[in-house]
Formats: sequence, C-alpha cells, structure tokens
Amino acid sequence: DQQVKQNSPSLSVQEGRISILNCDYTNSMFDYFLWYKKYPAEGPTFLISISSIKDKNEDGRFTVFLNKSAKHLSLHIVPSQPGDSAVYFCAASAAYKYIFGTGTRLKVLA
Amino acid sequence: GAGVSQSPRYKVAKRGQDVALRCDPISGHVSLFWYQQALGQGPEFLTYFQNEAQLDKSGLPSDRFFAERPEGSVSTLKIQRTQQEDSAVYLCASLVSAEGNQPQHFGDGTRLSIL
Repeated sequence: DQQVKQNSPSLSVQEGRISILNCDYTNSMFDYFLWYKKYPAEGPTFLISISSIKDKNEDGRFTVFLNKSAKHLSLHIVPSQPGDSAVYFCAASAAYKYIFGTGTRLKVLA
Repeated sequence: GAGVSQSPRYKVAKRGQDVALRCDPISGHVSLFWYQQALGQGPEFLTYFQNEAQLDKSGLPSDRFFAERPEGSVSTLKIQRTQQEDSAVYLCASLVSAEGNQPQHFGDGTRLSIL
C-alpha cells in the first residue's frame, strides 16, 4: 500500500505559466514534507520543504502548500521555466523514515 | 568532495555474482540511508545508519542484501548471488544529524544491471 502518491505521471506547461504538482499521503504520523527535483542520471536534489505545523512555505518561484485535513500537498512553480523540466518527487517523513512518491515528469515548453 | 559520492556509477554483473556498492557521505554527516529506485518509481527505503549503528534494515529485500558502515563514515551495500530483479539504481543519502525534519542529500546513484 503506497503511503505517498503522485497520481499524475506527467505534466506539460507553457513557459511563464504556473506549474502545479500534486501529492497525497495516507499516514497521519508524517510531520515533514519535501519536494525533490531529479534530472536524468543524477540523484534527487532538494527543492523545498514544509513542516506539518505550517500550511505554506515559499522560496522564490517555488511554493509548497499543505492541507493536513485532506492529506494533500502541492508544489507551485511560478513562472515556469524550461530549466524546470525534470522529474519531481514528493516525500513525507516521520522520524528518520522518508517515503517517496513515484514522481511527476514536468515538461516546460518554450 | 562537498556532496555525497557513490561508486561505481554503473555496474554490470552476471546473475549469481556478488556486487559491492560504495557511498561516501558528506563529511561529518551522522545519518546515512540506502534506497533502491526501480525504473519509473520513487526511491524505496532499504536501510538506515546512525553513525556506525544500523538502526533499521527493514527495507532490505532479502538476506542477500547486506549493508555496513564500520567507522561511521563510508558505507557499503553488498548484494550476494545477484538476481535480475536486483537491477535498479541504488541511491545513498546523508543527513547532518540524527534528528528528522531536514532534507536528505543524495548521491547520483549506482545503476546496477544484472544480466
């Protein structure tokens, strides 16, 4: 049973528009959530995170929203740039255990 | 180096051979993790070290998988009698402390192919 789900395997967005990536989780013990970006043949690179005591965290063009009642988080990228094209993984953690989703491949079209 | 370093980057082995994958975490990082990533999937937890102590090995798929971190820095993941289903990318990640709620730093992984 997958505890962290990314239901959209892929997403295409026009350059300059908003990209919204979604993630759902089932375990209410998760208290820290992260987004990673991955290019081919490289390891995941940390992008942004949020603690369960918050509902929003911003870092430049990236904003993560957390809806605890719905067990849902999302990543907003505004404006999207061609260099943002990559696979994005959400992850949730409780203590030292980090559980990853299956990823969403984002393609930003120039 | 400044980041997590993994070697080799690519490994091809024949079914039944033993392989050893190495991870050099960021210097001073207390926590070290191994993940297995199959094609089209996210990283799946294998095992966790805090310094030299292996605190969780619940994700290791079978007793053919063995991990160690004898001096609390470099770690080796060993797979004995490899099978085709072991083909995957093996990722190592480290954390500066033993506390949670912080991002992991990943290496670029070892792509293992079993023929």
